[in-house]
Amino acid sequence: AQKVTQAQTEISVVEKEDVTLDCVYETRDTTYYLFWYKQPPSGELVFLIRRNSFDEQNEISGRYSWNFQKSTSSFNFTITASQVVDSAVYFCALSEMNTGFQKLVFGTGTRLLVSP
Amino acid sequence: DAMVIQNPRYQVTQFGKPVTLSCSQTLNHNVMYWYQQKSSQAPKLLFHYYDKDFNNEADTPDNFQSRRPNTSFCFLDIRSPGLGDAAMYLCATSYGGRATNTEAFFGQGTRLTVV
Repeated sequence: AQKVTQAQTEISVVEKEDVTLDCVYETRDTTYYLFWYKQPPSGELVFLIRRNSFDEQNEISGRYSWNFQKSTSSFNFTITASQVVDSAVYFCALSEMNTGFQKLVFGTGTRLLVSP
Repeated sequence: DAMVIQNPRYQVTQFGKPVTLSCSQTLNHNVMYWYQQKSSQAPKLLFHYYDKDFNNEADTPDNFQSRRPNTSFCFLDIRSPGLGDAAMYLCATSYGGRATNTEAFFGQGTRLTVV
């Protein structure tokens, strides 16, 4: 069975602080995808990143960076110099590979509050 | 430029009165999904269509049905809504194939209230 754990329920930071959102996953599959989605108050899930299980390179995209460590089954997400617009709920998710569709198993989400 | 469009954004229905939520997409993706997200919880997959093939999750209640009349549209029917069915319903699409598949793109969701 697949499981995603986001132990941080809510994080509050002040603008310009760096913040890391933790994600730990469990799966018996040898190949899989990991994702991060952002859900602002409007409700839409906004795709941020997808990683293949065989690609452990860390990735940086602007203020966002992701640290994938297969040895610890973790896929953490860091926002550098946070902004008020980053306030949202962030979901980590996992899906099988090679099925042709994305059955996403989500973590319970981390609510990020960035204050001015 | 919305690519996955859900209507309505907010729906109020009476206890036990059938309700239909709709989703359309302009991405020409072959896979469409319906997720249920209750307050402060993670989205949970109800079912998906892979082309015309319907795939129900094992724990999706019989009260929930879906129709996909063509590639662009997908409907979620709740036959007899209960108070416990109040939630955000999220439609998503992706392209799936043997060699490649895309990430899922989500609509803005329909927030269902049952009174």
